[in-house]
Amino acid sequence: EVHLVESGGGLVQPGGSLRLSCAGSRFDIIGNYMTWVRQAPGKGLEWVSVIDSRDGARYADSVKGRFTISRDNAKNTLFLQMNSLRVEDTGVYYCTRGPALYGDRDFWGQGTQVTVSS
Amino acid sequence: QSVLTQPPSASGTPGQSVAISCSGSSSNIGSNNLYWYQQFPGTAPKLLICTNSQRPSGVPERMSASKSGTSGSLAISGLRSEDEADYYCVAWDDRLGGPVFGGGTKLTVL
Repeated sequence: EVHLVESGGGLVQPGGSLRLSCAGSRFDIIGNYMTWVRQAPGKGLEWVSVIDSRDGARYADSVKGRFTISRDNAKNTLFLQMNSLRVEDTGVYYCTRGPALYGDRDFWGQGTQVTVSS
Repeated sequence: QSVLTQPPSASGTPGQSVAISCSGSSSNIGSNNLYWYQQFPGTAPKLLICTNSQRPSGVPERMSASKSGTSGSLAISGLRSEDEADYYCVAWDDRLGGPVFGGGTKLTVL
């Protein structure tokens, strides 16, 4: 069974940094469109960043210049480096294959909680 | 403000049918496949419908969906209490170069 497992979330003060990881199991992250999606408390799903099959990266305007997406093919792991964190970045962060690109093989992780608070 | 437009809420009684709409534009639903996800509180979204109308393995036949032009619809027949959840539509957006989501529809089974 395919798994995506996120880690690295936690409590951080405004202005701080966190690095999220998403490890693939029985699934090769390399060559796939991989996306970070977040969900603020009580809110809907929001696209954060995507890395395409050729490692091109795109970001939502709300995180541009502060977040960096990358992947380590040798470790089969996707990353999200988050700097200059704001209170409004608080939420659950999910890594996904796609989404909405791979038919019934769109995969999601279980999510990792990020809380930005003083 | 979400790129795809869904009604914030829907409701029905057990056994009834309900439909949830999703409206977008030519750069997303109009040129790419529409997907639907189901989410229960505290859990990750679960794929309900892929590629406009296909049900992944394990999704009951009473869940169906369609797409026409720049909009789509999710239909749930024979409502059950366990269908009470949030439902999201998702499509890739060619102009954005990433996925766009609906704001979510909270389904209540009365």
